[in-house]
Amino acid sequence: QVQLVESGGGVVQPGGSLRLSCAASGFTFSSYGMHWVRQAPGKGLEWVAFIRYDGSNKYYADSVKGRFTISRDNSKNTLYLQMNSLRAEDTAVYYCAKDGSRYSSGWYEDYWGQGTLVTVSS
Amino acid sequence: EIVMTQSPATLSVSPGERATLSCRASQSVSSNLAWYQQKPGQAPRLLIYGASTRATGIPARFSGSGSGTEFTLTISSLQSEDFAVYYCQQYNNWHFGQGTRLEIK
Repeated sequence: QVQLVESGGGVVQPGGSLRLSCAASGFTFSSYGMHWVRQAPGKGLEWVAFIRYDGSNKYYADSVKGRFTISRDNSKNTLYLQMNSLRAEDTAVYYCAKDGSRYSSGWYEDYWGQGTLVTVSS
Repeated sequence: EIVMTQSPATLSVSPGERATLSCRASQSVSSNLAWYQQKPGQAPRLLIYGASTRATGIPARFSGSGSGTEFTLTISSLQSEDFAVYYCQQYNNWHFGQGTRLEIK
């Protein structure tokens, strides 16, 4: 069965950096694009970033463009999110999610991890 | 930027009754529309993709319809486990709606 396990969350000061990881299993990781989606406390879902199955294309929400970088290591079945210049408004649970279609340029998210909490506070 | 608007923000329905949730796109997204369910403390779960195709394991009481800019999620006979927050998402640029909270009347 598909499993996605996020790690790397924690408390960081404004302006700081953090790298999230997502370990994937139960499917052919190298055949699927992957997403990061976040949810601020008590708020709705906000899509953050997408990376194609082979890492050839990456897309970002305007709110994180230039500060966050999505990447993947298909040899380790792992997805990453490097977050720099963090702001209070980046405080959220960050979910990694598998794209629903093989080799696509990004469709819906069909499996989600349980999320990791990032808190940006001094 | 395509903006997704869900209505109503909160819907109160009795168990066993039908619930109808709406989602509107600011411009056409064709059928590139998904619906998710989220319960407190849990990750979202995919219900519908392609505007009307149920995801694996989703009960038949959940149905989606629409195309272009107007979409509907219908739950035909509400069960206790269906009370949750529902989000629509278009996957042209992946923006979500703000969610509809479905609560017990």
